[in-house]
Amino acid sequence: DAKTTQPNSMESNEEEPVHLPCNHSTISGTDYIHWYRQLPSQGPEYVIHGLTSNVNNRMASLAIAEDRKSSTLILHRATLRDAAVYYCILRDGGSQGNLIFGKGTKLSVKP
Amino acid sequence: SAVISQKPSRDICQRGTSLTIQCQVDSQVTMMFWYRQQPGQSLTLIATANQGSEATYESGFVIDKFPISRPNLTFSTLTVSNMSPEDSSIYLCSALLTGTAGEAQYFGPGTRLLVL
Repeated sequence: DAKTTQPNSMESNEEEPVHLPCNHSTISGTDYIHWYRQLPSQGPEYVIHGLTSNVNNRMASLAIAEDRKSSTLILHRATLRDAAVYYCILRDGGSQGNLIFGKGTKLSVKP
Repeated sequence: SAVISQKPSRDICQRGTSLTIQCQVDSQVTMMFWYRQQPGQSLTLIATANQGSEATYESGFVIDKFPISRPNLTFSTLTVSNMSPEDSSIYLCSALLTGTAGEAQYFGPGTRLLVL
């Protein structure tokens, strides 16, 4: 699986939008972009994933650059409960392989 | 989505002993995974456990140390054998499911292990 680069940490204010960036310049054509988050003392939680088009679900939006070399996870209105480590992971859609976790971005949300 | 449970949720063990961690999924899945997360670190894959075949171990992990069972499509166990303090970690199981949005991995809450 190709490598991703994320900032180590970010801060946000409660009720404001948060944009979490991820660079994946070596992404291949069959790699899906997955986002997971890990709340304190819990297992990772699936957030969203996409291939080429932007994706929205009840948790977040995923904006994918046209060249697919970067993506941004968007939390539209951060809450204190969104404080977590967010992982951006590439996974080959042609395989049924596991996820390879990097260090992720630790998001802090201030009241 | 899926509900994945693990038992025990935490344990304190003496060195040289073994601990078996159970993972139960509320739906049938082909692929399950076992990860380790050491304090303050990210997750590291230990092995992939497919029902009906031997587990596939990642580099640095061996079957004698981490034997895995996968008796059916909803259950798996990971044993941490002959434990040492270096095995103190969180152990997480995960299952690959296919839903309306495609494939995604779902994780259990983890088993917190402290080896004295």
